[in-house]
Parts: sequence; C-alpha cells; structure tokens
Amino acid sequence: GQNIDQPTEMTATEGAIVQINCTYQTSGFNGLFWYQQHAGEAPTFLSYNVLDGLEEKGRFSSFLSRSKGYSYLLLKELQMKDSASYLCAVKDSNYQLIWGAGTKLIIKP
Amino acid sequence: NAGVTQTPKFQVLKTGQSMTLQCAQDMNHEYMSWYRQDPGMGLRLIHYSVGAGITDQGEVPNGYNVSRSTTEDFPLRLLSAAPSQTSVYFCATTTGDGYGYTFGSGTRLTVV
Repeated sequence: GQNIDQPTEMTATEGAIVQINCTYQTSGFNGLFWYQQHAGEAPTFLSYNVLDGLEEKGRFSSFLSRSKGYSYLLLKELQMKDSASYLCAVKDSNYQLIWGAGTKLIIKP
Repeated sequence: NAGVTQTPKFQVLKTGQSMTLQCAQDMNHEYMSWYRQDPGMGLRLIHYSVGAGITDQGEVPNGYNVSRSTTEDFPLRLLSAAPSQTSVYFCATTTGDGYGYTFGSGTRLTVV
C-alpha cells in the first residue's frame, strides 16, 4: 500500500528553527509537495521537490532524498503566524497526490 | 481574480437528502479535483477531471457523482447523504507538474 508518515504534532519556540519530517512509500514518485494549512482554512502551496537536494524559499526550505523516501521542511526564525498544520504529499506513478495526515505545529512565545 | 470558488461554506443535511457542492475556477486550469478531509487522515481524492467532458474516480468515489461540462465548473453531487459523509470538502485545481494545487475555501458538511 501507499503510505506517507509525518509526526502528528510538534512544538517550537518563537524565533527558533524546526524541522518537520516526512517519509513515504508510494507506487512511483513524481514529486513531493509541502502545504501549509491554518485551522479552518484551505491548504496553501509551500514547496515542490522532484530532484534530490535542498530548495530554499525565504524562511522555508524543503529537502528531498528519493533513495531514502524522505523529505523534511525546515522553518527558520519562527513566527506566531507559522502555527498551522503542515501537509506532505507525494505524486505517485499515476500522477495522483497521496497525502500525509499533517503535522500540527504549535509555536510558543 | 477569484481563483477557486466553492459554495456553500457550511451545510447541514439529513440522512438520505441529496445536494450539490459547487466549484468554479477562473484560472483556465484543465485539472480539477475534489477531496475530503477528515480528522487524523490525509486528504482523500474523491473524483477528478483532466478536462471538460472527462472525469475519473479517485480513492473514495462511492456515494458521489461529478460532471465537467465546462473548463470552469466541476460540481460534486451527493446522491443520498449518509453520516459517514460528514467531512470538510475541498475543490482543487492545478495547471500541471511542478505547480502546486490551488484549493477552494472548503465546504464543511454535516449529515445528521
């Protein structure tokens, strides 16, 4: 079966750095996405990785290792507004997205 | 530029009732899809469409119908609502690989 694993919940301090891990087992791989979802709102696109390595976008970076079936989202200089759920999704061999259940990130002052 | 518009935002149905969730996009995206989101689970694909006149089933299609007569609209019909269909429903579109999906604001459906 296809599976995406992420921690259910993480807590971090304002101004710090946090790394959210995602491991996947899917039938084929055609890219990995990270989304941010604030409570009661729709997911919004953060990043896309299709090749191994690190992609940086401002305070957010995303890393991919296809051989290990592993990705992480790194958030730097955490702000209170970063409190949200972070969803990992993999596009499989049929080009459909398989979604993890999401990681709820709690930021404390 | 509205992006993806979903209506209604909230709905309460009685078991056995039918209804249509509306999704409209003005981005000229060929690909449109419907997901449901339940607590503790990842988004699950209900139906999707790769263009006008073409639809296909996703992971959890039972109890739902779709049609795609235009590029802009992709309605989701609940044929006979059941409590198991209580969920948050999202419509999402994309232009292709490497580009993220754009989601509508969601419909929170409760079936009693």
